[in-house]
Amino acid sequence: GEDVEQSLFLSVREGDSSVINCTYTDSSSTYLYWYKQEPGAGLQLLTYIFSNMDMKQDQRLTVLLNKKDKHLSLRIADTQTGDSAIYFCAERGAGDYKLSFGAGTTVTVRA
Amino acid sequence: DSGVTQTPKHLITATGQRVTLRCSPRSGDLSVYWYQQSLDQGLQFLIQYYNGEERAKGNILERFSAQQFPDLHSELNLSSLELGDSALYFCASSEDRDHEQYFGPGTRLTVT
Repeated sequence: GEDVEQSLFLSVREGDSSVINCTYTDSSSTYLYWYKQEPGAGLQLLTYIFSNMDMKQDQRLTVLLNKKDKHLSLRIADTQTGDSAIYFCAERGAGDYKLSFGAGTTVTVRA
Repeated sequence: DSGVTQTPKHLITATGQRVTLRCSPRSGDLSVYWYQQSLDQGLQFLIQYYNGEERAKGNILERFSAQQFPDLHSELNLSSLELGDSALYFCASSEDRDHEQYFGPGTRLTVT
């Protein structure tokens, strides 16, 4: 079955870069996603990467994918207090429609 | 705002009862997905419907059922509720060929 793992907590100083890491086990993963959940809110799709890509940049967000090691990371440049949230990594397998999520990384931005 | 709506926002009910959660997908989306988010299990896929038909089933209990109506809205029915069913229930939608799933704000269910 699919297994997605993330570190649970990250504390970062405002203005620094944050890096959130994720590993997955399904070698047939086609798409990998990052979602953001703020307190009391739903999941907001931040970005995604197709499995044949190594990197994707979208404004302050950079996604890196190492398919050999099944490792995904999300880098947030110039982290702001509004970036404090839970970040979920998710993967979608080939021929699959459902998403398998990690447990989420709680990012706390300190002044 | 993702364009996916869910009602109600909060629901408090007693054990043994039955509830219905409702979801309206984004305009034009044919697929609806239901997920459960709980402290001990995290985010788990329950079931998917595409254009009225069940397409995929995940960790959905037999006490739970869902359907998608001709206007594409979906309902998740939870019966014989137990304390452990307390969770956030999310609906997501996508176009069939589009892999991006957009999530609604969720319904928080508390079973007492």
